[in-house]
Amino acid sequence: GAVVSQHPSWVICKSGTSVKIECRSLDFQATTMFWYRQFPKQSLMLMATSNEGSKATYEQGVEKDKFLINHASLTLSTLTVTSAHPEDSSFYICSAQIEETQYFGPGTRLLVL
Amino acid sequence: EDKVVQSPLSLVVHEGDTVTLNCSYEVTNFRSLLWYKQEKKAPTFLFMLTSSGIEKKSGRLSSILDKKELFSILNITATQTGDSAIYLCAPGEKGGYNKLIFGAGTRLAVHP
Repeated sequence: GAVVSQHPSWVICKSGTSVKIECRSLDFQATTMFWYRQFPKQSLMLMATSNEGSKATYEQGVEKDKFLINHASLTLSTLTVTSAHPEDSSFYICSAQIEETQYFGPGTRLLVL
Repeated sequence: EDKVVQSPLSLVVHEGDTVTLNCSYEVTNFRSLLWYKQEKKAPTFLFMLTSSGIEKKSGRLSSILDKKELFSILNITATQTGDSAIYLCAPGEKGGYNKLIFGAGTRLAVHP
């Protein structure tokens, strides 16, 4: 149980394009999902909390107009990196919460050229 | 400001050794502390600790929390090469969404 998937696992795009990443809870419903990014050899940094049916809560310093989050159903949250630039290249990971535990998806590696 | 400090940052041991990984934290509105193992991809859940002094155990791994001294340890006995990973400690806050604050992690390498 508690399986979370992410799609795509890898994406390479040109600077200026937008990229959408999907996060799905496969065998449970999640009112709350989280989006993190992780740079090489660093820990996970929370970007935003995604709540089904309401607006996401962004962490300080994260641009909400650049990182669009939509939590349209109890099993799906999406993160769209708009007008991506090379500095947005990173490992993006989502998690879905059951009670107090977060279960992580396998992550999406984004490379912006 | 919330803070999580893990030590050591890295550790190299031989198979069969026992290791102890440390996590100290300062978190306002502390609710629970979670341990995760991260290999090449995203973290996998190991333990959630909410009460002081109660050891949680899973095979060769065990963990305990001290809410008075604000730390937790993760023990791995009889280490195997498959234990090589980054171990992340993440205290969680009370409040609407139980936000987790991740430490930098301990990078464990187990050599044959």
